[in-house]
Amino acid sequence: NAGVTQTPKFRVLKTGQSMTLLCAQDMNHEYMYWYRQDPGMGLRLIHYSVGEGTTAKGEVPDGYNVSRLKKQNFLLGLESAAPSQTSVYFCASSSLRLAGAQETQYFGPGTRLLVL
Amino acid sequence: TQLLEQSPQFLSIQEGENLTVYCNSSSVFSSLQWYRQEPGEGPVLLVTVVTGGEVKKLKRLTFQFGDARKDSSLHITAAQPGDTGLYLCAGGTNAGKSTFGDGTTLTVKP
Repeated sequence: NAGVTQTPKFRVLKTGQSMTLLCAQDMNHEYMYWYRQDPGMGLRLIHYSVGEGTTAKGEVPDGYNVSRLKKQNFLLGLESAAPSQTSVYFCASSSLRLAGAQETQYFGPGTRLLVL
Repeated sequence: TQLLEQSPQFLSIQEGENLTVYCNSSSVFSSLQWYRQEPGEGPVLLVTVVTGGEVKKLKRLTFQFGDARKDSSLHITAAQPGDTGLYLCAGGTNAGKSTFGDGTTLTVKP
């Protein structure tokens, strides 16, 4: 099992450019998440999905869009990149919660994005 | 918005010392998780605690969930250089998503 993979690993964009970050998981997980992590800060949830074809906003959704057309993939799009979106982006997945307990989130290695 | 505050933000100690990291909130969480993250990698789960007052031990690491399920602590005994990393707590909710603290950066010097 590869677990959670992210592509690309690193990208440099100019302000106004668009791009899509791809996350793939091979654990048949229902839940998938996109976070951003900035220096000195923890992980902030951008968007998440509780199943194929569903998406929901997280804590910091503005400037991002997501799609979950296939259960194993979760795409994060930036339509018009801004310098404030320079960050490290992490994707995670987890199985359905059981008995109210939070299931383990498995994280990808991250995508480092620099917007000039 | 449920907030988790971690303290201290930075901690630098010598090998062999003990340390405690705190994770506090004014909100109640259904569960609380601790993750460890190394540079250039994603966080990796250490433990999940779900019951108020619960204590879990993982070798030299002891995790405690507060009675009211609003706070947690991580205690490391006889820290080693391999314990160096960013420690994150995350509060779980019934909505299927977690709230992360800002993390504690631990450096253990040989």
